[in-house]
Amino acid sequence: AQSVTQPDIHITVSEGASLELRCNYSYGATPYLFWYVQSPGQGLQLLLKYFSGDTLVQGIKGFEAEFKRSQSSFNLRKPSVHWSDAAEYFCAVGEDNYGQNFVFGPGTRLSVLP
Amino acid sequence: GAGVSQSPSNKVTEKGKDVELRCDPISGHTALYWYRQSLGQGLEFLIYFQGNSAPDKSGLPSDRFSAERTGGSVSTLTIQRTQQEDSAVYLCASSRGSRSGEQYFGPGTRLTVT
Repeated sequence: AQSVTQPDIHITVSEGASLELRCNYSYGATPYLFWYVQSPGQGLQLLLKYFSGDTLVQGIKGFEAEFKRSQSSFNLRKPSVHWSDAAEYFCAVGEDNYGQNFVFGPGTRLSVLP
Repeated sequence: GAGVSQSPSNKVTEKGKDVELRCDPISGHTALYWYRQSLGQGLEFLIYFQGNSAPDKSGLPSDRFSAERTGGSVSTLTIQRTQQEDSAVYLCASSRGSRSGEQYFGPGTRLTVT
């Protein structure tokens, strides 16, 4: 069965600084990988996803993520963080996009200092 | 069009009572998912509906939990004889069901069992 770890429970960065949120997965085959963001009191919104092809994927709000098979990682990055990026970020892995075997990581809470 | 909606947004109930949570998916989406998000935890998959196929109930934590989806649209998650450990945010998501369809999440129902 697949699993997802997000080693950082809480990260604080200053506005304008770069950001990298870590995600490691365990899955035997090529996984479907996702990053979701959950703003306070809101539902989850998909930032980006990786199925195949180019290992560097671009998402919304200036985010990108890189799939590294050798490291079983799918880290999320942003070159310059905005105060509105403060939220909870979830990495997820599935064996397909239907969600039947979809596992979410525990989340990383991002705080942004002015 | 409208996104995924859930009702109620908040529900406080006494231990032992039954509750019903409602999800209205995006029109035309054939797949519907229920997740549970406990405080400080990731998302826990509960149940998945795809078209007219039998639902995948493998994530339901006990037989007190059940869900139905009428007419391939609205879904109701029912929790019988609620326990304090059922307190969580219950999230619903829908997708087109295709291999490239992302999941669109509702704002969730916060359930508190006293």
